[in-house]
Amino acid sequence: RKEVEQDPGPFNVPEGATVAFNCTYSNSASQSFFWYRQDCRKEPKLLMSVYSSGNEDGRFTAQLNRASQYISLLIRDSKLSDSATYLCVVKRGGATNKLIFGTGTLLAVQP
Amino acid sequence: DTGVSQDPRHKITKRGQNVTFRCDPISEHNRLYWYRQTLGQGPEFLTYFQNEAQLEKSRLLSDRFSAERPKGSFSTLEIQRTEQGDSAMYLCASSRIAGGPREEQFFGPGTRLTVL
Repeated sequence: RKEVEQDPGPFNVPEGATVAFNCTYSNSASQSFFWYRQDCRKEPKLLMSVYSSGNEDGRFTAQLNRASQYISLLIRDSKLSDSATYLCVVKRGGATNKLIFGTGTLLAVQP
Repeated sequence: DTGVSQDPRHKITKRGQNVTFRCDPISEHNRLYWYRQTLGQGPEFLTYFQNEAQLEKSRLLSDRFSAERPKGSFSTLEIQRTEQGDSAMYLCASSRIAGGPREEQFFGPGTRLTVL
């Protein structure tokens, strides 16, 4: 079992739709949580960090449930430019600084 | 461009050959990471440097792989006796020590390796 699990999709949604991605992680020692975006054949880029209190950045909302070891990302009013792979990422506490990535969820926003 | 740069962007080699990749981090970043990404998967951690010290290595980093960061600036990743299973995108990332969610890792464009 992978340490970070995501539904690989693809999610095909029309412009303007609301779409939600879910992610679970297995290591309770995980301390930091992120969503990265990766466009086709490009490098990953940080979309947002995820906090227990939840956080919002424009059309994007991220939530963390530590008890259930569950992370979510909600995208409202989808744009064509949101089409990409969304990677759920965790980092354990302590001395390690490595990021542990899920396989990513592919989003295709249709006109 | 002040981002992370990697060279070469593409490398095609024959099985058994040695290859070396270079990464130049963002100039004030003292942490540097190497990841590997295969098709349909997320990046997987290989190794990490803080300044010139290699502080962590993945079990994925077999004895054919070696990474260096001799002066705490650029880094090289060498793969000896390449195998077809080494074909992947090799990503470099860098960060400035901050700790926790504030420490963002910035990724370079990657080196795509194809082993024939």
